[in-house]
Amino acid sequence: AQSVTQLGSHVSVSEGALVLLRCNYSSSVPPYLFWYVQYPNQGLQLLLKYTSAATLVKGINGFEAEFKKSETSFHLTKPSAHMSDAAEYFCAASQGGKLIFGQGTELSVKP
Amino acid sequence: DTGVSQNPRHKITKRGQNVTFRCDPISEHNRLYWYRQTLGQGPEFLTYFQNEAQLEKSRLLSDRFSAERPKGSFSTLEIQRTEQGDSAMYLCASSLGRRGGRDTDTQYFGPGTRLTVL
Repeated sequence: AQSVTQLGSHVSVSEGALVLLRCNYSSSVPPYLFWYVQYPNQGLQLLLKYTSAATLVKGINGFEAEFKKSETSFHLTKPSAHMSDAAEYFCAASQGGKLIFGQGTELSVKP
Repeated sequence: DTGVSQNPRHKITKRGQNVTFRCDPISEHNRLYWYRQTLGQGPEFLTYFQNEAQLEKSRLLSDRFSAERPKGSFSTLEIQRTEQGDSAMYLCASSLGRRGGRDTDTQYFGPGTRLTVL
């Protein structure tokens, strides 16, 4: 069965610093992968998705993620953090149409 | 632009009571999903519909839970004889449901219904 692991339940960066949120998946068959963001008391919003067209995927709000099959990873990055990026981020894999989520990483941005 | 809507946004109930939540998907979407999210965790899949047909149910969905999607439009999730362990955020999502493309479909989430069982 597919599983998704996010390393680090909390990540804190300074405004303007690089954001790196880690995601690893377990499967012999690379799945389709997604990153979602959740702001307090709101639903999940799609940041980007990997569907095997290109290994480097660009998303909204300056985020991007790179699919690395050899490392079974799909880490999310943003070159320069903004205060408005503070939120919970979820990595997910699609399996039979349903999403399998990681446990989430809360991103804090310090001024 | 109307997204996925869920009602109510918050529900407080006493243990043993029945509760029902409603989800209205994006109008042209034929797939609808229910997930449950507890504090500090990622959402967990509960069930999903293709039009009015319920195609898959998680083992998490005990006999006290039932979901319907009459006429393939809105959906309801009912929990009977609620327990304190049912306290969670219940999320609904919908997707377009293209033929052969279910794994690449983007799921659009509603704001969720937060259930508190006292």
